[in-house]
Amino acid sequence: EAGVAQSPRYKIIEKRQSVAFWCNPISGHATLYWYQQILGQGPKLLIQFQNNGVVDDSQLPKDRFSAERLKGVDSTLKIQPAKLEDSAVYLCASSPTGGPRGYTFGSGTRLTVV
Amino acid sequence: AQSVTQLGSHVSVSEGALVLLRCNYSSSVPPYLFWYVQYPNQGLQLLLKYTSAATLVKGINGFEAEFKKSETSFHLTKPSAHMSDAAEYFCAVNMNTGFQKLVFGTGTRLLVSP
Repeated sequence: EAGVAQSPRYKIIEKRQSVAFWCNPISGHATLYWYQQILGQGPKLLIQFQNNGVVDDSQLPKDRFSAERLKGVDSTLKIQPAKLEDSAVYLCASSPTGGPRGYTFGSGTRLTVV
Repeated sequence: AQSVTQLGSHVSVSEGALVLLRCNYSSSVPPYLFWYVQYPNQGLQLLLKYTSAATLVKGINGFEAEFKKSETSFHLTKPSAHMSDAAEYFCAVNMNTGFQKLVFGTGTRLLVSP
């Protein structure tokens, strides 16, 4: 089975610019997650979708971050405007039901804000 | 709230030596526990998981972990380290409330010397 696809792999932008990341989960996986991994830290959940609905966005900085999941499949995470502290790897993951089977992660997008 | 603590941000071993990476969890209910590995510039790969079946869990690449409720621990071990084991390792707990999500520890970087 194909894995979780993410693009781009790398992105460098200036602060106050906008950026978008794309994720295509494994086919049939109902749950999709976006995690932020700052260098030297563990991944932190930003937002969780169940099909095309948001079930947890408590740690998403909503003044600058937004995300959507079109038709319960692909998802886009956007940052506008970016800050220096947004430099991180953004990981997308999906799972069949969000249960204890564990998730499948994509390779991530490394964002550098200068 | 459920959480995990990984003791030691860096662990160094010689090739062929025992690998021991420590993880302690905090949970008010029986948790699901996971170990993930992350190689440079890659996403997270599931090593193994505990989902309340056998307390000794075997994973990929010769790794195993033992769930010890009395010690609230889920330490990761491998009898003989290989150079290819050098990577970042993350312990994670499944928030078993409502829509489930993984909460990660801060990670342990394993260094393997010849």
